[in-house]
Amino acid sequence: GAVVSQHPSWVICKSGTSVKIECRSLDFQATTMFWYRQFPKQSLMLMATSNEGSKATYEQGVEKDKFLINHASLTLSTLTVTSAHPEDSSFYICSAAWAASLYEQYFGPGTRLTVT
Amino acid sequence: DAKTTQPNSMESNEEEPVHLPCNHSTISGTDYIHWYRQLPSQGPEYVIHGLTSNVNNRMASLAIAEDRKSSTLILHRATLRDAAVYYCILRAPVTKYIFGTGTRLKVLA
Repeated sequence: GAVVSQHPSWVICKSGTSVKIECRSLDFQATTMFWYRQFPKQSLMLMATSNEGSKATYEQGVEKDKFLINHASLTLSTLTVTSAHPEDSSFYICSAAWAASLYEQYFGPGTRLTVT
Repeated sequence: DAKTTQPNSMESNEEEPVHLPCNHSTISGTDYIHWYRQLPSQGPEYVIHGLTSNVNNRMASLAIAEDRKSSTLILHRATLRDAAVYYCILRAPVTKYIFGTGTRLKVLA
């Protein structure tokens, strides 16, 4: 149980375009979803926390107008990287949690974004 | 958020036990100790977690010090597939995970 999927698994886009990444909880209802970014050889950095039906809470230094997060249902959250630039190239990972699990997080497989 | 300290890297021979240490001297009474591992180009994978008592599962064992200021993840027989970055994370309910730098485990054939 507690499976989280991400789509796409990898994406290449041109500089200036926008890219949407989906995160789905397949067998549970996620009241909270988290988005992380990971650069090569570095640890995961939390970008934002989103609760279903509410605006996301962004970590310090993360531009909320550039990284749009939508958590419209209990099984789906999306991260849109707007006007992507090469420095946004990274591995994006989502995780999902629900209240009954004391907010233990279950991670998706990640999405590799390359901006050319 | 309570922080954890882990060695940057460790090596082990295949089929031998591995003890991965984690220091968390500022842990609070409600913090759970979680261990995840991450293989290259994959999301973190849950390994084990505990609060006060030692824990065992099919993947590993978790030994928690009596004062809870440190813990050790034990892989009983390392295999090549266990080569990964292992993260020790403190988690309080309803709060976010803060990932440290983790320990990169290299398993030698």
